[in-house]
Amino acid sequence: DQQVKQNSPSLSVQEGRISILNCDYTNSMFDYFLWYKKYPAEGPTFLISISSIKDKNEDGRFTVFLNKSAKHLSLHIVPSQPGDSAVYFCALNTGTASKLTFGTGTRLQVTL
Amino acid sequence: DTGVSQDPRHKITKRGQNVTFRCDPISEHNRLYWYRQTLGQGPEFLTYFQNEAQLEKSRLLSDRFSAERPKGSFSTLEIQRTEQGDSAMYLCASSYSDTQYFGPGTRLTVL
Repeated sequence: DQQVKQNSPSLSVQEGRISILNCDYTNSMFDYFLWYKKYPAEGPTFLISISSIKDKNEDGRFTVFLNKSAKHLSLHIVPSQPGDSAVYFCALNTGTASKLTFGTGTRLQVTL
Repeated sequence: DTGVSQDPRHKITKRGQNVTFRCDPISEHNRLYWYRQTLGQGPEFLTYFQNEAQLEKSRLLSDRFSAERPKGSFSTLEIQRTEQGDSAMYLCASSYSDTQYFGPGTRLTVL
């Protein structure tokens, strides 16, 4: 059973525009939500996170939104830059020290 | 830079051979995790240590896999009698809070 889904395998956005990456989950026990960025042949790099007591967290160009009732998470990148081109994973856990459950990833391509 | 390090970065082996990977976590992190990632998928959890104690193992971790963290610092992941299906990126992460920080991974290819 796939508890975490990223339904868009790829996304292409023009430089300067907004990129919106989505993530849906089924397990209501998840209470901490993270986004990672991954370049080929490298490990995932932590971007931003949000706990279940919040619905928004912002860090520079990155904003994560959480809709617990819809079990939906999104990452907004604005403005998008060519260096943002990578695979983005959402990752969820059920508490401190617990394992992360990852989505399948969305490949973002930011074009000039 | 005191991030998570992994060694080797790449390993090519023949089916049936044993391989061992090492992970050095961020120094103040007491929790260490191993994940495996195959093409087109997100990382999948394998096992977790808090200090030297192995607290959780995934059913993905067959009896050919063993992990240790003998002094609560670095960790090793050994795969015995490798199979072609073991070919993957093996990722290590460490944490002291909710956020896990990943190393660069070890790419294993089993011929």
